[in-house]
Amino acid sequence: NAGVTQTPKFQVLKTGQSMTLQCAQDMNHEYMSWYRQDPGMGLRLIHYSVGAGITDQGEVPNGYNVSRSTTEDFPLRLLSAAPSQTSVYFCASSYLGSDLAQYFGPGTRLLVL
Amino acid sequence: SQQGEEDPQALSIQEGENATMNCSYKTSINNLQWYRQNSGRGLVHLILIRSNEREKHSGRLRVTLDTSKKSSSLLITASRAADTASYFCASAGTASKLTFGTGTRLQVTL
Repeated sequence: NAGVTQTPKFQVLKTGQSMTLQCAQDMNHEYMSWYRQDPGMGLRLIHYSVGAGITDQGEVPNGYNVSRSTTEDFPLRLLSAAPSQTSVYFCASSYLGSDLAQYFGPGTRLLVL
Repeated sequence: SQQGEEDPQALSIQEGENATMNCSYKTSINNLQWYRQNSGRGLVHLILIRSNEREKHSGRLRVTLDTSKKSSSLLITASRAADTASYFCASAGTASKLTFGTGTRLQVTL
């Protein structure tokens, strides 16, 4: 199993550009989530999904969209990048019955100029 | 913000010593989890304690939970240089969400 994979590993954007961060898992997990990690802030939940076709907002959803058309994939879209979205983004997944014990991807480092 | 807090923010100990880090959270929980993050990597799940449990062990890890004080502690015994990392607590409430603390940076020196 590859576990949770994320692409790209690093990305530089200009303000106003859009992009999609990819996340995939091969463990047949129902639950997937996106977090951002900023210095001194820990991880903050952006969006999450409890299954294909179901998504919900986390703590910091503004400026981000998600969709879950398959169990395996959970892409995160930045509609119009802003410098405040410079961060490290982590995707995670888990079985719903595992008390949400999460498997994390390696992260995507995003710089918005 | 519903984020929890951890203390200390940073901890430096020598190999062989014990490391204790504490976590406070804000809302009722179903469980409390601890994760480790090595520099530049994703988080790795270490241990989970449910709200009806008070103490749990896994290898050199010991976790306690006090729901009346909304707090938890993680003890790493006989620390090794390889334990150098950041450690995060995460609380799981009634909604399908994890709320992470701000983390403790642990440095274990030889």
